[in-house]
Amino acid sequence: QKEVEQDPGPLSVPEGAIVSLNCTYSNSAFQYFMWYRQYSRKGPELLMYTYSSGNKEDGRFTAQVDKSSKYISLFIRDSQPSDSATYLCAMKLYNNNDMRFGAGTRLTVKP
Amino acid sequence: NAGVMQNPRHLVRRRGQEARLRCSPMKGHSHVYWYRQLPEEGLKFMVYLQKENIIDESGMPKERFSAEFPKEGPSILRIQQVVRGDSAAYFCASSPQYSGGISYEQYFGPGTRLTVT
Repeated sequence: QKEVEQDPGPLSVPEGAIVSLNCTYSNSAFQYFMWYRQYSRKGPELLMYTYSSGNKEDGRFTAQVDKSSKYISLFIRDSQPSDSATYLCAMKLYNNNDMRFGAGTRLTVKP
Repeated sequence: NAGVMQNPRHLVRRRGQEARLRCSPMKGHSHVYWYRQLPEEGLKFMVYLQKENIIDESGMPKERFSAEFPKEGPSILRIQQVVRGDSAAYFCASSPQYSGGISYEQYFGPGTRLTVT
């Protein structure tokens, strides 16, 4: 079992849909949870990070962490064609140099 | 403020040659990280450096791979005697000073795509 599991998709939705992207993990000690967006042939771009459990909202994006279930989610409201990209989850321990990434979910938002 | 810069963007090497990948961090950032990304796989941490100091190289293959971040100039990831399995995208990221180990706030460059023929 991988330490971080992420469904690779691909996921295709119509413009305006609500998108839900998820990751599960096995190491209960992870404390920082990040979501990166990666456009084709580009480097990842940090979208959001969350420390420990809870929700965080930034515009159309909401990140949720459920540590009891070892499950994190990224919701995108009113999705746009420009949101079409691969979304990577990542997580790390505090005071530790090991950051683990999911394999990424490829999202396409169709006009 | 320029972002993280990597060059070359594409690099083709024959088996047995050396590959040198360069990374200039964002202005004001003192920490550099190197990752490798294979198709359909996530980013794999390789090494974490500060100026003139390797903080953590636990993700680096034991042989043929080395990294440095000199006092002046870019960080260099060096792969000696490349093999086909080294073909991948190599990403560099940088972050400001951070006290909790590897920073969660990393800014990535566009990557170098290495092809070994």
